[in-house]
Amino acid sequence: AQRVTQPEKLLSVFKGAPVELKCNYSYSGSPELFWYVQYSRQRLQLLLRHISRESIKGFTADLNKGETSFHLKKPFAQEEDSAMYYCAPKMDSSYKLIFGSGTRLLVRP
Amino acid sequence: DVKVTQSSRYLVKRTGEKVFLECVQDMDHENMFWYRQDPGLGLRLIYFSYDVKMKEKGDIPEGYSVSREKKERFSLILESASTNQTSMYLCASTLHGTGTPEFGPGTRLTVT
Repeated sequence: AQRVTQPEKLLSVFKGAPVELKCNYSYSGSPELFWYVQYSRQRLQLLLRHISRESIKGFTADLNKGETSFHLKKPFAQEEDSAMYYCAPKMDSSYKLIFGSGTRLLVRP
Repeated sequence: DVKVTQSSRYLVKRTGEKVFLECVQDMDHENMFWYRQDPGLGLRLIYFSYDVKMKEKGDIPEGYSVSREKKERFSLILESASTNQTSMYLCASTLHGTGTPEFGPGTRLTVT
C-alpha cells in the first residue's frame, strides 16, 4: 500500500539551529512530492515541490529515490518557521495527494 | 483573491443531525476534495470528485456522502452526525491531472 511516514510529531529547535523534517514514502513508481505548511490560524498552503528544485523561505528538499525519502531542510531556523508541516506524495497520474501525519516545528527564541 | 471558500469556519451540531458542509472554488478546477484533519493523523481523504456528478471514495468515506451538482461547488454531507466526526474539515481543489491542491480555510465541526 502507498504510505507516507513522518516519524516526528514534534520537532523543537532553537532559533538559528539547523532543522530537518523527515519524510519517507513507500511506492515503487515515481511519485511527485510536495511539502505543505500550515501556520497558526491559516490555511494549508504549498511550501515546495520536488520537481521545481527551488528554495522557498530558505527550505529545500531533495528526493532520495534510493532511500525513498524527501526530507525538508533549513540551515538556520527562524521563529516564524514555527508551523505544522506535511509531506505529501502524489502517485503518478492519481488525482489525489496522500498526506503524512504531520510534524509540528517549534522554533524557540 | 480568495479562491476556495467554505461555508462555515465553526459549526456545532448535535448527535444524529444531518450536516452539510459547503465548498466553493472560483478557479474552474475539475477536481475537488474533502479531507478531515486530526492531530497525529494528518489529513485523511474522505471523498473526491473529478467532474460534475462524479465522485470517488477516499480512505475514510464511512458516515459521509458528497454532492457535486455544479463544477464550482462540492458538498460534504454527514447523514447522521456522531461525536467521532468532530474534526477539522478541509476542502481543496485542483486542475485536472496537474497542479497542486488549493485549500480552503477549513470548517471546525463539533458534534455534541
